[in-house]
Amino acid sequence: NAGVTQTPKFQVLKTGQSMTLQCAQDMNHEYMSWYRQDPGMGLRLIHYSVGAGITDQGEVPNGYNVSRSTTEDFPLRLLSAAPSQTSVYFCASSLGTGMHYGYTFGSGTRLTVV
Amino acid sequence: DAKTTQPPSMDCAEGRAANLPCNHSTISGNEYVYWYRQIHSQGPQYIIHGLKNNETNEMASLIITEDRKSSTLILPHATLRDTAVYYCIVRVASGANSKLTFGKGITLSVRP
Repeated sequence: NAGVTQTPKFQVLKTGQSMTLQCAQDMNHEYMSWYRQDPGMGLRLIHYSVGAGITDQGEVPNGYNVSRSTTEDFPLRLLSAAPSQTSVYFCASSLGTGMHYGYTFGSGTRLTVV
Repeated sequence: DAKTTQPPSMDCAEGRAANLPCNHSTISGNEYVYWYRQIHSQGPQYIIHGLKNNETNEMASLIITEDRKSSTLILPHATLRDTAVYYCIVRVASGANSKLTFGKGITLSVRP
C-alpha cells in the first residue's frame, strides 16, 4: 500500500550509541519531515526537506542529522543517543508545501535510550 | 505562524455532533486553518483545511468566523472511533515557512 513507511517500529539504545531511523514514501512527495512527540506534548519539528538534496532545521534539530539523496527516502540519524531523545518519532510527507497538500504520516518509531 | 488556543479536552455522546473550538486571534491574511487528529499511538491524520469560507468533506465540517479569529471543527455524528487528540494549526500557504506546527491539541472523548 502506498504511504509512509518507518522502520524500525521499536528500538532501545544505550546512551552514546548511534542509529538511523528510516523513512520511505512511494507517493513521489517532494516534502518530507521528521517530528518527535513526547508524553503530553504536541509534535515538534526536527528537520525537513523540500526536495532531494535540500534539508533544513526545524524547532528541535540538536542531536539529529538528516540527508535527502533521493525523493523517496529521508533518514534521521542520531549520532550519540541521549536519554533526552527517548520519544516517538514520526515521519511525514506531502506532495508540496502548498496549502492544498495534506501531510501523510508514518506509524512512528518508538525509541528508548537507556 | 500564528498560535492557536484549544481547550485541553471535551467529550460528547456517540451519535451526537462534536464541535471542537479553536482560537487563532493573530492569524494573518495568508494563513490557512488546518485540522489534524491523532488516534492513540498512531501518526496524525489530515482532516480538513480552509482559508475563510466554510468547508466540508466526508470527515468533517470547518466553520471559520468572519473575522477569522476562531474556527470550529464539526464531526456531525461522532463515533467511538473519533476519540482522539485533535490539532488546530495555522500555516502560510506555501514556501519554507509553511511547515506544520503542532500544539497540544484537544482530547475528544466520545462516550457510548
